[in-house]
Amino acid sequence: AQKVTQAQTEISVVEKEDVTLDCVYETRDTTYYLFWYKQPPSGELVFLIRRNSFDEQNEISGRYSWNFQKSTSSFNFTITASQVVDSAVYFCALSEADEAAGNKLTFGGGTRVLVKP
Amino acid sequence: EAQVTQNPRYLITVTGKKLTVTCSQNMNHEYMSWYRQDPGLGLRQIYYSMNVEVTDKGDVPEGYKVSRKEKRNFPLILESPSPNQTSLYFCASSLTGGTKNIQYFGAGTRLSVL
Repeated sequence: AQKVTQAQTEISVVEKEDVTLDCVYETRDTTYYLFWYKQPPSGELVFLIRRNSFDEQNEISGRYSWNFQKSTSSFNFTITASQVVDSAVYFCALSEADEAAGNKLTFGGGTRVLVKP
Repeated sequence: EAQVTQNPRYLITVTGKKLTVTCSQNMNHEYMSWYRQDPGLGLRQIYYSMNVEVTDKGDVPEGYKVSRKEKRNFPLILESPSPNQTSLYFCASSLTGGTKNIQYFGAGTRLSVL
């Protein structure tokens, strides 16, 4: 069975500090997808990034960066120079690549990030 | 604007009173799904649908029903709600198949069952 663990339940930082969110996953599949979603205080879920299991290139998008390490089954997310608007709950999720299984997402418990001015 | 629309956004009801949460998407997506979000547990899948008239159970289907009579709509039905179904519910949709599997979520429905 698939499992996603976000060990940090809450992180509090002061604006402009960097913050790294940890995500560790378990799957028996050799082909899978990893996702990060953001849930701001307004409650909606916003897609941030998807990586497939064959692409271990790390990615930077503005102030966001992701570190995918298959050897340690981790897909960590860093916000550089955090801003108050980054305050949200962040979810890591895993999906099988098997079309017959559908697109089910297995989510971690989420990490609440609080950025103080 | 491409979107997934859920209604209502907030709902307070009493035990045993049947209710329906509607979900509609305008992106012509084949795949639709319902999740519930509970503190510390993240989101868990309730039911999903691969296409019209094709539905299947997710991880926590007990107490819920769904139907998919039209491609754009995927209502969630609680025949006899109970307090343990108090939760935040999300509908999601996507195209099917590996590289097309980014799911887009509705704004959520916060349900309280008294």
